[in-house]
Amino acid sequence: QKEVEQDPGPLSVPEGAIVSLNCTYSNSAFQYFMWYRQYSRKGPELLMYTYSSGNKEDGRFTAQVDKSSKYISLFIRDSQPSDSATYLCAMVDRGSTLGRLYFGRGTQLTVWP
Amino acid sequence: GAVVSQHPSRVICKSGTSVKIECRSLDFQATTMFWYRQFPKQSLMLMATSNEGSKATYEQGVEKDKFLINHASLTLSTLTVTSAHPEDSSFYICSARDQRGATDTQYFGPGTRLTVL
Repeated sequence: QKEVEQDPGPLSVPEGAIVSLNCTYSNSAFQYFMWYRQYSRKGPELLMYTYSSGNKEDGRFTAQVDKSSKYISLFIRDSQPSDSATYLCAMVDRGSTLGRLYFGRGTQLTVWP
Repeated sequence: GAVVSQHPSRVICKSGTSVKIECRSLDFQATTMFWYRQFPKQSLMLMATSNEGSKATYEQGVEKDKFLINHASLTLSTLTVTSAHPEDSSFYICSARDQRGATDTQYFGPGTRLTVL
């Protein structure tokens, strides 16, 4: 079993829809949680960073962490065609001296006009 | 946020030549940088972890003599693909670890597309 599980999709939604992306993990030592957005042929871009259970909001994006269930989510409100990309969840082990990231497989999202 | 640059963005070379890729953190110092490889429609594969002033740590299966990593300063790491062959053609991405304040995250460069003929 991989340490981080993420449904690869693809996910296709109409413009304006609310998108929910999810990851589960098995390592209870994961402490820092990130969501990255990657456009085709580009490097990943950091969207959200959080380290505590609960919600964190930034514009149209909300990151949710539930450490007791080992579950994180990213919600995108009022989705736009420009949100079409691959979304990667990533985590860091609090005991890691080097800060290695553990990634989900990525979810491919298409928002159609 | 933070900015990480990579150079070149694209390189085409002949088989047998060596190629150097630079990764720079532009607005913060990074003791640790990472090098990844990505094949089409696949997730990032960590190749090695680069620490300023010390030897890189390579992942299992990555040839350290083929992929030379140097992290000479807190803002620059380089990856040299030695004696490149067509099977080395891929998208190479670096990241820099940001530990400013209470954070511990990574910012990625835009990637370098290597094509070996």
